[in-house]
Amino acid sequence: AQKVTQAQTEISVVEKEDVTLDCVYETRDTTYYLFWYKQPPSGELVFLIRRNSFDEQNEISGRYSWNFQKSTSSFNFTITASQVVDSAVYFCALPNYGGSQGNLIFGKGTKLSVKP
Amino acid sequence: EAEVAQSPRYKITEKSQAVAFWCDPISGHATLYWYRQILGQGPELLVQFQDESVVDDSQLPKDRFSAERLKGVDSTLKIQPAELGDSAMYLCASSSLQYNEQFFGPGTRLTVL
Repeated sequence: AQKVTQAQTEISVVEKEDVTLDCVYETRDTTYYLFWYKQPPSGELVFLIRRNSFDEQNEISGRYSWNFQKSTSSFNFTITASQVVDSAVYFCALPNYGGSQGNLIFGKGTKLSVKP
Repeated sequence: EAEVAQSPRYKITEKSQAVAFWCDPISGHATLYWYRQILGQGPELLVQFQDESVVDDSQLPKDRFSAERLKGVDSTLKIQPAELGDSAMYLCASSSLQYNEQFFGPGTRLTVL
C-alpha cells in the first residue's frame, strides 16, 4: 500500500537557519513520482516539486533543495537560510496508483515556523 | 497565470442543512479532484473525475455527498445533510493528462454548527 510518513509534526527555527523536513514513503510500485507541496496560512496548497524515481540526483531551486534516496525510501526537503515567509505546513505526497496519474497520498505534514 | 477557482471560500452552516461547493479547474485540465482536509491532517481524496466521468469515488460518503462534472469542465460537490464531522477544508485540484502536477484551488473552509 502507498504510505507517506512525515515524522516531524512541528519545527521551529530562527531566521537564516537551515532546516530539513523529512519524508519517508512506502510504495508497491517500481516506478513512481514524489511531490512536495507548501500550504501557507491562507490554505492553498502550492506545488513545489515533482521527482521521478528514475532520477536520484539531488535538485536545487534557489534556497530549496531535495535529497531523494531510493535505498532508504526517503525524499527530504531542505530550506537554506530560512525566511519568515517560509512559515507554512509542508506536505510530501505520492500517487495512489503509481506512475504519474491518480490521486495523491499525502503525509500528515510538517508545520514550519520561522521566527525573526 | 491560470488558477483553479473555488467558491465560496468560507461557508458556515447548521447541521442537517445542504451545502454546495463549486470548482473551476485550469482550462484544458482533464482530471479534477476533490479532497477533504481535516485540521492537522493531509488532504484525502473524495472523488476524482476524468473529463465528465468518475474515476474514483471509493472514499466519498455517498449517503450524503454527491459530485458532478456534467460538461467535463467545472464541478460541484454537495453535502446533504451536513453533519458536525463534515467541518473541514474542501480542496479542488486539477491536472493535465500529460503532466501530473496537481494544482490546487484556495479551498472552501466549511464549518458545521
